[in-house]
This record gives sequence, C-alpha cells and structure tokens, in this order.
Amino acid sequence: NAGVTQTPKFQVLKTGQSMTLQCAQDMNHNSMYWYRQDPGMGLRLIYYSASEGTTDKGEVPNGYNVSRLNKREFSLRLESAAPSQTSVYFCASLDWGIVGELFFGEGSRLTVL
Amino acid sequence: QKEVEQNSGPLSVPEGAIASLNCTYSDRGSQSFFWYRQYSGKSPELIMFIYSNGDKEDGRFTAQLNKASQYVSLLIRDSQPSDSATYLCAVNVGWGGSEKLVFGKGTKLTVNP
Repeated sequence: NAGVTQTPKFQVLKTGQSMTLQCAQDMNHNSMYWYRQDPGMGLRLIYYSASEGTTDKGEVPNGYNVSRLNKREFSLRLESAAPSQTSVYFCASLDWGIVGELFFGEGSRLTVL
Repeated sequence: QKEVEQNSGPLSVPEGAIASLNCTYSDRGSQSFFWYRQYSGKSPELIMFIYSNGDKEDGRFTAQLNKASQYVSLLIRDSQPSDSATYLCAVNVGWGGSEKLVFGKGTKLTVNP
C-alpha cells in the first residue's frame, strides 16, 4: 500500500528558480493538504483542498501555488524560490469518515540557496 | 493568538515516569482533537484522538479534553525511551467542507533510561 507519495524527497534550488512538489494518494480521500515544517514551528498549513476542484489558503500561502489535478493528486508550486522557503514539506490526505486522521507522505526536504 | 498552543518544551522525564503534555486552542467550535507523534526525520503519526469531554485511554496513553476550558492534554504513563519524540497537538478548525487540521508547535519529549 503506497498511501501518500511525495516527490522529490530532496531538492536544492537557487534563489529565483521554480519547482513543483508532487503528491499523490491512493486512499480515495477527498481532502488533501500541504504543510511546511521548520525547526520549533510545528506544522504550518500552506494550502489545502477539501475536495476535487477546490483549494483554499492556509496559514502561510505567500509564495506558493497549488493545483488539485484530480482526486488523487495535489501539487505545490514555488514560482520564484526564496531562502525563506527552505523547509521540509509534507503532503497529507484526510479520512474524515471514521476518525479524521491525516495520512502523511514521507516529506520533501527543500533547500534554497 | 495562534489557534493551537502547546506548552513549551523540551520536556525530560525519567523512564517509568508520567509525561504530561498540554495544549490549548482558540476556536470554540472545534470538535475534534488529535495527538500526533513525530520521530526525528520522520512523518507525524496519529496516536490518539478525542471528541468528547473527559478522558480517553489507550494503553499507556490517556487523552483528556475540557471544551469549556479549551484544553486538551496527553498523559503517557510508564514512559519508555522509545516514547522520546516530538508530540504535536492538532485541532479541527472550520466546517462545511472547509475543515482543516491546525497544529501546535510541538513539544519535544525525552525519556531518560
């Protein structure tokens, strides 16, 4: 069972470069999320998609865009990377039906030089 | 005020002791509360959830919820070195298809043998 798959796992960018983090889930969940985690800051919500076709801003959306391509896939794009976007990014999908449990990907470690 | 606040750490307890982790939240409409455990370099994993006021026990873990005080806690009895991790409190915020999980900054727990 794959669960939530994120790519790439590691990436180094130069300031001003762009990139897209890909996320796919195979659990048929409606809701998907992108969080970033910085030391001592916990998980901060960037964007989320409650259902296919909808996206909403979270706590720290500036500098990011998202696309909910279909029910399975939710991508996060950095159009012009900045050193402040150096972080670990987690994609997650949510099963509201039983518990409301978030299932996380393994994380993507991004460094912007 | 941040939506979810956790008691500042780090927290260090001896093996066999009770570890107490606390969390407060600001949205009185929140109905679902979660505790996630995150080992260093890994993704968060759900260990407890609670919806109703009172205590909920699962093995060595007890979650406590007081909605009037907007307070949720996690007790770990007979703490083991393997419990050493960062514990993240998460609260469901929003409704009507826009639900999202908001996390606290986390409390790092170290259990000393």
